[in-house]
Amino acid sequence: QSALTQPRSVSGSPGQSVTISCTGTSSDVGGYNYVSWYQHHPGKAPKLMIYDVSKRPSGVPDRFSGSKSANTASLTISGLQADDEADYYCCSYAGSYTWVFGGGTKLTVL
Amino acid sequence: EVQLVQSGAELKKPGESLKISCKGSGYSFTSYWIGWVRQMPGKGLEWMGFVYPGDSDTRYSPSFQGQVTISADKSISTAYLQWSSLQASDTAMYYCARLSATGSQSFDYWGQGTLVIVSS
Repeated sequence: QSALTQPRSVSGSPGQSVTISCTGTSSDVGGYNYVSWYQHHPGKAPKLMIYDVSKRPSGVPDRFSGSKSANTASLTISGLQADDEADYYCCSYAGSYTWVFGGGTKLTVL
Repeated sequence: EVQLVQSGAELKKPGESLKISCKGSGYSFTSYWIGWVRQMPGKGLEWMGFVYPGDSDTRYSPSFQGQVTISADKSISTAYLQWSSLQASDTAMYYCARLSATGSQSFDYWGQGTLVIVSS
């Protein structure tokens, strides 16, 4: 199993939108609608932001949205805020009780 | 409130054994899979495996099969990750995470992490 491919970093100014991509294969991202996204502030526990490609857990702002096309999933954050600055990881179910994460993307709010 | 509280940081020597823990509270511990995730220094997250505390069923990532042992003690709502002989390459932050029961295949609650440093 190879890690999902994410850009190492993205940046945006407050109020702008950014999109983070997550590319896998037909055995993971493309094969299941089970992509999730996690926000990780260093030193804290990761937080679930998106599950099942595009669903938001209770309490997650609707500024966060997810989508998928073929083997690539995307996380879009609109109306960027300073507190959005964090590492973001995608994750996909890969069948047979296995999961694969992306390498992580560092979001910088300029 | 659902909480996963992990044991504290560890400094160990190569060849030593180690068992770290993750205590769940605020929910039915026996009804959710608990997974372990590794983050090596400067790297991304890697899923290692998980355990179902209700019956101790365990599944491992092929990358970690045979390298670690995952277990749980439902009587004290605690999951474990253990090594019999640590190597320097085991130096990492380790997180436990609960697999959502909604069928979403996502991890809805996470522990705060346990830092393991293996150095001679």
